[in-house]
Amino acid sequence: NAGVTQTPKFRVLKTGQSMTLLCAQDMNHEYMYWYRQDPGMGLRLIHYSVGEGTTAKGEVPDGYNVSRLKKQNFLLGLESAAPSQTSVYFCASRKGHQGAAGANVLTFGAGSRLTVL
Amino acid sequence: DAKTTQPPSMDCAEGRAANLPCNHSTISGNEYVYWYRQIHSQGPQYIIHGLKNNETNEMASLIITEDRKSSTLILPHATLRDTAVYYCIVRSASGGSYIPTFGRGTSLIVHP
Repeated sequence: NAGVTQTPKFRVLKTGQSMTLLCAQDMNHEYMYWYRQDPGMGLRLIHYSVGEGTTAKGEVPDGYNVSRLKKQNFLLGLESAAPSQTSVYFCASRKGHQGAAGANVLTFGAGSRLTVL
Repeated sequence: DAKTTQPPSMDCAEGRAANLPCNHSTISGNEYVYWYRQIHSQGPQYIIHGLKNNETNEMASLIITEDRKSSTLILPHATLRDTAVYYCIVRSASGGSYIPTFGRGTSLIVHP
């Protein structure tokens, strides 16, 4: 049981390039999230999904797009990378069933470190 | 969801108990307290959660005050590997579409 897997783990981009980060979970979780974390800061939510085929904006969505075509995968895209998007990106998922405290427990991936030059 | 307040940093000697406080004075009756930790450069890891009774698992103990306005995460015998940022979050069990929000947490340093 792999949990949440993020690929790639590291990437260096030039300004203006595009790329996609993949988050895959094998726990049949409904909810998936993309966060970014900058040095000395907490986690800031970029986009999230409440189920297959749905996406919604979080706190800092500008410059990012997402897709959830399959329940197990949540993709984060950067169409035109900027140095301000240099960060560590974390994906998380949770089961999401109502009435169960355990359903709110988040499982995180190991992170993807992105540098934009 | 109720807001939480944590001290920005704490330190603890190896082998001693680490007691990390969290204030959630606006917590409502159906809201649980969840704790996570983030070891440097890794993804956050779930530790424990509770409603009103004290909880214990293989990682830690959670003590929630009787009025539920604050809680303490206890690492009974802290090791150097427990050095991490610890996050306290409050959330109800009902309702599906909540957005998990992490503040800056408490940076715990365990020293030899």
